[in-house]
Amino acid sequence: DGGITQSPKYLFRKEGQNVTLSCEQNLNHDAMYWYRQDPGQGLRLIYYSQIVNDFQKGDIAEGYSVSREKKESFPLTVTSAQKNPTAFYLCASGRTGQGAAGYTFGSGTRLTVV
Amino acid sequence: RKEVEQDPGPFNVPEGATVAFNCTYSNSASQSFFWYRQDCRKEPKLLMSVYSSGNEDGRFTAQLNRASQYISLLIRDSKLSDSATYLCVVKGSGNTGKLIFGQGTTLQVKP
Repeated sequence: DGGITQSPKYLFRKEGQNVTLSCEQNLNHDAMYWYRQDPGQGLRLIYYSQIVNDFQKGDIAEGYSVSREKKESFPLTVTSAQKNPTAFYLCASGRTGQGAAGYTFGSGTRLTVV
Repeated sequence: RKEVEQDPGPFNVPEGATVAFNCTYSNSASQSFFWYRQDCRKEPKLLMSVYSSGNEDGRFTAQLNRASQYISLLIRDSKLSDSATYLCVVKGSGNTGKLIFGQGTTLQVKP
């Protein structure tokens, strides 16, 4: 079945560490997105990519980095520069262009700083 | 002003009730509109798209008013399983495909 897979489901990070969240899709979608959700809050866009080898900053890109070397994969690195990384991270993919439907989301990664 | 605004609720309703959620958006050039459902500690899932003429899917009815930049979701005959957070989502103009999410409205259906 086609879908989008995030791993790990739970991740614990020590202060000063970089960690990488995985996102893989086999839906043949061109566009992929990373969102962050804090408790009781909406989704905020971190980074997005509409094509391989290209990506754009979203609204809260500081302290994060991404790569898009393959169409299927869009990993997110949470660097030590991100001062408050504890949150629920959601990856999504979708088609681009006019009339594109909504996104498909992965099941998310819960990141906690310990 | 937020690009997509919703009343966060919570809305507490008895089973069988009819409940309506509203949402406003600020960008008049927005092209596509959706309602997503998010269960506690889960990812959002597409509930339905919203079309200009209004559309219905079973107990759920979505309406769009472009002139007022207003979207609504009506749930009839509420079930316990409808308890969730409902996210109003707007796709901006152009081909970026970016979706902008409202904060969400929480619904609790009580027995």
